[in-house]
Amino acid sequence: QVQLVQSGAEVKKPGSSVKVSCKASGDIFSNYGVNWVRQAPGQGLEWMGGIVPMFGTANYAQKFQGRVTITADESTSTAYMGLSTLRSEDTAVYYCAIGRITPTGDAFDMWGQGTMVTVSS
Amino acid sequence: QSVLTQPPSASGTPGQRVTISCSGSTSNIGSNTVNWYQQLPGTAPKLLIYSNNRRPSGVPDRFSGSKSGTSASLAISGLQSEDETDYYCAAWDDSLNGVIFGGGTKLTVL
Repeated sequence: QVQLVQSGAEVKKPGSSVKVSCKASGDIFSNYGVNWVRQAPGQGLEWMGGIVPMFGTANYAQKFQGRVTITADESTSTAYMGLSTLRSEDTAVYYCAIGRITPTGDAFDMWGQGTMVTVSS
Repeated sequence: QSVLTQPPSASGTPGQRVTISCSGSTSNIGSNTVNWYQQLPGTAPKLLIYSNNRRPSGVPDRFSGSKSGTSASLAISGLQSEDETDYYCAAWDDSLNGVIFGGGTKLTVL
């Protein structure tokens, strides 16, 4: 069963950084891009960026440019999302997601379970 | 404020047909396909419709999607109590060079 398993919840201080991991079972990293989507409490979904591991280059949403870093390690089938200079507004559930169902990969048919990141002093 | 505009709420009675709209622009819906997600409380979103009107395996045919110009719609027929949850539209935006989501619609089954 192919699935995405994310790292556990984090509590961070304002101004610090966080790194969330997303491990894939199976061979999906070889063929598909990994995206990160976040959801603040009671709010909607927000795409942060994505990476195609076989190419290695990431694409970021303009809002997060300069603060987010998305990487992938094909040897361990694990993707990472790092977010720096955290502020209270970054408190959210962070999801990794993969799109396998279309050539463009932007229809996310597989999701991780989500990682809650709380930013609080 | 989301680039894709959805009504914040919608409602219907069991068995009824309801539609949820998603309005965008030429750089997103007008140029690319639309996907719809269903999100139950406390869970990850689930892909409901992709490429405007296609259903992933396992999604009931009560759910359907359509697109015209810079707008899209999700229709749910034979409304059931378990359909009461949040729905999001999404599309690639050529100007922003990324995926954008609608603000979400909370569906209530009366």
